[in-house]
Amino acid sequence: DAKTTQPPSMDCAEGRAANLPCNHSTISGNEYVYWYRQIHSQGPQYIIHGLKNNETNEMASLIITEDRKSSTLILPHATLRDTAVYYCIVRGTYLIQGAQKLVFGQGTRLTINP
Amino acid sequence: NAGVTQTPKFQVLKTGQSMTLQCAQDMNHEYMSWYRQDPGMGLRLIHYSVGAGITDQGEVPNGYNVSRSTTEDFPLRLLSAAPSQTSVYFCASSYSTRSTRPKNYGYTFGSGTRLTVV
Repeated sequence: DAKTTQPPSMDCAEGRAANLPCNHSTISGNEYVYWYRQIHSQGPQYIIHGLKNNETNEMASLIITEDRKSSTLILPHATLRDTAVYYCIVRGTYLIQGAQKLVFGQGTRLTINP
Repeated sequence: NAGVTQTPKFQVLKTGQSMTLQCAQDMNHEYMSWYRQDPGMGLRLIHYSVGAGITDQGEVPNGYNVSRSTTEDFPLRLLSAAPSQTSVYFCASSYSTRSTRPKNYGYTFGSGTRLTVV
């Protein structure tokens, strides 16, 4: 699976949009970009995923560049409850059992300030 | 629909003791896995399973055993606990990427088991 690079930490003011970048320059054509977050010591929570097109759900938007080498997770109106570690992960849809693992990096620690 | 249920939530073991961490999911997910998370670190994969009767090792499998006799359950066994196994353990499940049913192959995680080995 392709590796991802994220900034170790970011700050954002409450009510503003939080934009979290992720580089995945070695991504291949059949690999999806997934975003998860982990609030304090809870289990990671799925946020959103995408392949080529931009995606939006009730939690966030995902913008993937045309060359797919980077993406940005957008939390449109950040609240204090969005303070968490955010993980960007690339996962393939391979048809062999060993290639379905999710490998977590260090993620970005996002702090929402009042 | 309970999602992924892990038991116990907290456990203290003495060095050398054995125990089983339980994980159950009710979403008919083919894929299940165990991660451990140490303070200030990301999640590291211990073992995973792509279906009943099929398991494989992850990044840090030593000292742990798994089995998958049913789709719903994926227990993690510590054979002889060591202080280095003090950690938070997370179980996760998802549809297999072989499955053509869903579009979302995102993982669902349990709430974790906090294990201390003294």
